[in-house]
Amino acid sequence: GGIITQTPKFLIGQEGQKLTLKCQQNFNHDTMYWYRQDSGKGLRLIYYSITENDLQKGDLSEGYDASREKKSSFSLTVTSAQKNEMAVFLCASSMTGYEQYFGPGTRLTVL
Amino acid sequence: AQSVTQPDARVTVSEGASLQLRCKYSYSGTPYLFWYVQYPRQGLQLLLKYYSGDPVVQGVNGFEAEFIKSNSSFHLRKASVHWSDSAVYFCAVSMDSNYQLIWGSGTKLIIKP
Repeated sequence: GGIITQTPKFLIGQEGQKLTLKCQQNFNHDTMYWYRQDSGKGLRLIYYSITENDLQKGDLSEGYDASREKKSSFSLTVTSAQKNEMAVFLCASSMTGYEQYFGPGTRLTVL
Repeated sequence: AQSVTQPDARVTVSEGASLQLRCKYSYSGTPYLFWYVQYPRQGLQLLLKYYSGDPVVQGVNGFEAEFIKSNSSFHLRKASVHWSDSAVYFCAVSMDSNYQLIWGSGTKLIIKP
């Protein structure tokens, strides 16, 4: 088995601040994903990456950047945090075309 | 447009009763199908998956789902629910793209004592 680690667990930022979330997986999966989940809602895809140094935009990419410098890691940057923004950011990985495995999430609060 | 519909936002079931959570998708081909569960303040966990073969698939904790191609459905079932099954359940489908999943909006399962 493997595991997906997300850091930090909780992230509190100020309006306008640039914030970075990190994700590591030891499944040796090719594809990694970043999702945003608002309270009580479903998942929306922000970015995904099918291999090292590849980036693909999802439906919610505006306001975010991503980076995949190694196969095992995938970072997400909130380029300018919005006041009163609260969401959970979920990282996932998969062998291409197969089931996704998720990390525990990073909870973002913007003051 | 390709879509996944979970028509029930909330389902309330008595402990020990049977359960069905509905999932329908819009896609003309044969998709890959998944059910995930999300417990409070946690990430998503895979419950079961269908790629091909027997349309009834077994998952963890007594859950099963049946792929009915003629109905474009993949409903989740459990014969007898336990209070610990309280969670949000998501249906997801892989269609044309091998990389992305199309997600349903989730069904919150509430277990009555």
